[in-house]
Order: sequence, then structure tokens, then C-alpha cells
Amino acid sequence: ILNVEQSPQSLHVQEGDSTNFTCSFPSSNFYALHWYRWETAKSPEALFVMTLNGDEKKKGRISATLNTKEGYSYLYIKGSQPEDSATYLCAPQTGANNLFFGTGTRLTVIP
Amino acid sequence: ETGVTQSPTHLIKTRGQQVTLRCSSQSGHNTVSWYQQALGQGPQFIFQYYREEENGRGNFPPRFSGLQFPNYSSELNVNALELDDSALYLCASSLAANTEAFFGQGTRLTVV
Repeated sequence: ILNVEQSPQSLHVQEGDSTNFTCSFPSSNFYALHWYRWETAKSPEALFVMTLNGDEKKKGRISATLNTKEGYSYLYIKGSQPEDSATYLCAPQTGANNLFFGTGTRLTVIP
Repeated sequence: ETGVTQSPTHLIKTRGQQVTLRCSSQSGHNTVSWYQQALGQGPQFIFQYYREEENGRGNFPPRFSGLQFPNYSSELNVNALELDDSALYLCASSLAANTEAFFGQGTRLTVV
């Protein structure tokens, strides 16, 4: 079992603000780091799969960075919109098959 | 929406009963993983099936078992249900180990 910590647990931002979340995980036995976006009453949606130290991925206004040596990843949202409201989950992968999910960061964007 | 479908969406069972949850994976995906999400927690890995064989298991007792069929659909079976088994059960299919997993909407199980 991995100790995966996500912070903050929840936050409220105004529409147009930029924001970021943190995912911390043990750096040993690292295989990949997954980020998911989970809207209420929908399926978790994959955002990024990151494998290389120093990797940076971007999808529209959302981007993520990865530091495998110190065991953390940041997710950034630029110019938050109400449709960005969701729970953002990170999940380090230690082997070929096992994702260890954090408890997520619940984002609410206020119009 | 992904091509992963789960059934049923909700069900209520009595303690001690057995339950079977079903998952149809996305077309072409040969790997299915099952997760349990209890209230206030992130999803926890139960097990994974790859080409009809169990390919890894999390910290769940043997009364949690599974199957994968030749069409790569999967079942999760839970025997001797306990109150703490009440949770959202998610399945996810993927094409390879470190590629993105596509999740279904889950089955909400309530044990009374």
C-alpha cells in the first residue's frame, strides 16, 4: 500500500483564476503517475499518464509536471472555468497493474 | 463517455449474501482492473485481469474474486457480504500497463 497525499483536499476559486494542486508519493518503485478528473455522476476521465522525471504534459488549459526523485507531481489549471469543477485524482503506479489513488482534490469554480 | 459499461448501476444486498458485478471493457482492451471506493477515500485496487488470467491483486480477502471472459468482459464476485463492503465499485479497461485506463460509471453497492 502506498501513502499518496493530495493537497489541498478541496478549494474554491473564482472563474478566471489559475490554480494548482499537489500529489505526493513515495519515490521508490515508481512506474508511472496518472492524473484523473472525476465529475459528479460521471466516470473518472484520464488526463495524463507521466513516466519520466521532469516530464511535463499539457491538455488545453491543464498541465502537469512530475518529479520522480522527490516524489511529487503538480497539476495546474490556467483560467479556471465552471466546467473545470470536479475532483482531481492522482494515482502513482508501482508495477504493471496497480494504481494507488489519493483521496483527490475537490475543485469548485465559482462563476 | 468511455466505452466501459458496468451493471447494475445500483443494488442493495443483505449481509451474508453474494453479489456479482459486471463490466464490459472498451473495444480492443484486454486488461480490466477493479477498484473499490469507500466513502471519503480514493479508489482502492482490488485486482486486475489480463487475457483471462488474474494479473495482480490488492489487499482484499479471498471472498473477492473475479473472472475475465474471452471477449475481455469481466465479473467481480463478492461472497459473504459485510456491511463494510458498501461502496462504489469501479472497473477500468486499458490496452497496456502504463497507458490510460478508461473507467465505467461504477456500481453502487449497499449492504444492509
